[in-house]
Amino acid sequence: KNEVEQSPQNLTAQEGEFITINCSYSVGISALHWLQQHPGGGIVSLFMLSSGKKKHGRLIATINIQEKHSSLHITASHPRDSAVYICAVRSKGAQKLVFGQGTRLTINP
Amino acid sequence: EPEVTQTPSHQVTQMGQEVILRCVPISNHLYFYWYRQILGQKVEFLVSFYNNEISEKSEIFDDQFSVERPDGSNFTLKIRSTKLEDSAMYFCASRAGTPYEQYFGPGTRLTVT
Repeated sequence: KNEVEQSPQNLTAQEGEFITINCSYSVGISALHWLQQHPGGGIVSLFMLSSGKKKHGRLIATINIQEKHSSLHITASHPRDSAVYICAVRSKGAQKLVFGQGTRLTINP
Repeated sequence: EPEVTQTPSHQVTQMGQEVILRCVPISNHLYFYWYRQILGQKVEFLVSFYNNEISEKSEIFDDQFSVERPDGSNFTLKIRSTKLEDSAMYFCASRAGTPYEQYFGPGTRLTVT
């Protein structure tokens, strides 16, 4: 059974700060997803990774397959980045995603 | 940009009633999923559907639940006799063959009273 743990659970920062959210998982995976969930509940896919690093605007996601660890970074954070960020993994041979508990990020102006 | 849509956005029903949650996946996608999120908890996988049959399901997806793709565009989740603990946000997702990225709908909030 693949367990997905995120840290921190809650993160409050000032506008402009560099943000890091971490995700660890327990078994081999085919892919790892970073998702964003806004207060209304909708889920938006940010990244899908199987190795290395991806960048989109101010967001950067990295994954270390050997260490079973991924990080999501936000540079020059802004209040509109306030949301819950969720890590989810797909195990090898599986269809389903297994989700972490999410990290609630609040960026204050 | 194509998107997954879900209806209704909010459904209130009484315990024991049947509900059908509807999803329209992205048109060229082949794999379809239902997930749920009980308030304050993690998102949980319910079922995946491919080639007109269930390809994987969780232990949550018992005989009270069923899925159907009745007309080649809609993808539905039916709960036969709702319980209080079925109250949750239900998300539909779909993906193409490759890449494996799943696209989520906005969710249906189900409240069972």
